[in-house]
Parts: sequence; structure tokens; C-alpha cells
Amino acid sequence: DIQMTQSPSSLSASVGDRVTITCRASQTIITYLNWYQQKPGKAPDLLIYGASSLQSGVPSRFSGSGSGTDFTLTIISLQPEDFATYYCQQSFYSPRTFGQGTRVDIK
Amino acid sequence: EVQLVESGGVVVQPGESLRLSCAASGFTFHSYTMHWVRQPPGKGLEWVSLISGDGSTADYADSVKGRFTISRDNNKNSLYLQMNSLRTGDTAFYYCAHEGSGYAFTWGQGTLVTVSS
Repeated sequence: DIQMTQSPSSLSASVGDRVTITCRASQTIITYLNWYQQKPGKAPDLLIYGASSLQSGVPSRFSGSGSGTDFTLTIISLQPEDFATYYCQQSFYSPRTFGQGTRVDIK
Repeated sequence: EVQLVESGGVVVQPGESLRLSCAASGFTFHSYTMHWVRQPPGKGLEWVSLISGDGSTADYADSVKGRFTISRDNNKNSLYLQMNSLRTGDTAFYYCAHEGSGYAFTWGQGTLVTVSS
């Protein structure tokens, strides 16, 4: 199975900060990489698909980049509603494996 | 708009069986691969199973292989997960997911399965 490793596991940030989360795949997944946001008690929501395509309705302060094995989710100017846990997921191989998650909380 | 509504989550004892259902709407159900993903309370996401649009192909996580069976009824726009020989480690929120554009998931709201004696 493809292993997905996110870093950091958690971070503290302030409103207005720029936040970067990285995700590394154990084998190349080209650009079959998705990012999800999950708030407590809720299901995950799709933010980014295909490594860099913004899902409809997602604010433009979210962006994704990368290809091969290394990927990044960036949030410019963090907003109060962005405090959540973020997961990456590869969709190139079965099983569709997830990273362990990155929790973003308030500094 | 894709809508997925899971049901069937309850408290069961170890060794018992349970069937989860997922009612789908807002898309051409038979055209899409569907998945089950689970999340133990307070922990991360674990992919469980997938089934192709026509139901001919299924795959399972090693942790559930031989105990869980995924199925679908395209006439009823419904997805199912039959779970047998349940263990305490199967306690989790279970989400059904539609694999759409870019092979990315759209999720239901989840249903909680608790396995406890």
C-alpha cells in the first residue's frame, strides 16, 4: 500500500498567518492527490483535487501544489473558520490511502 | 449536488453482524465507484472498501477482508456494507463516499458503529 506522510502533525497559528502543510507519498502518484478539511463532529470536505485544482466553493486562500511524491497545501491569511484538521489522500492506487492528518489550532 | 445519507449505525457486541446503508442522490449513481471510509473517534481516516459502478469489482482493506462485504443496488441508488464478526477495533464513524472529479471523494455525514460488550 502507498504510505502518505503528512507534516507537521499539528501546528498553532494566528488569524492572518500563512500556513503550509506537506504530504509525501511513498511512491509516485503523479498528481492524484486530494486535500480535505475536517471540523469536529463533521464529515471531511474536499478542498483540492488533482494536487492543485480548487473544489468549487472553496475560498481562493487555499491552494495546492506538487507532483510525484511531494505535495503542499497552503492557506494564505488563515481565517477563524480554517481551524480544523487537514488530510491528504492519494487516488492513484487502491487502496486510497490517507495521511495521518494535520491539526491546525489557534495560537 | 451529490448527497449521501448513511444509516444503520448502532451499538453491537463483539462477534455480531450489522449492515450499513447509504442512500445516494444528485448524480448518476451507476456511473461512479463508491467507497466506505471509517474513522475511530478522535483518530484519522481509514479507507475500508470500494465497489465499481456496475458492481463487478470490489476491494477491501486488509483489516476487514473476509469479514465485510460491500454491495450496491443501482436501481435503488443505494450502497451497502455488510459487517460480520465485528470487533471492538471496528468501532468508528463510517462514511460512504462518491469518487467523482479528479478521483476525489464527496462524503456523507457518517454513521457511528460501536462494538462493545
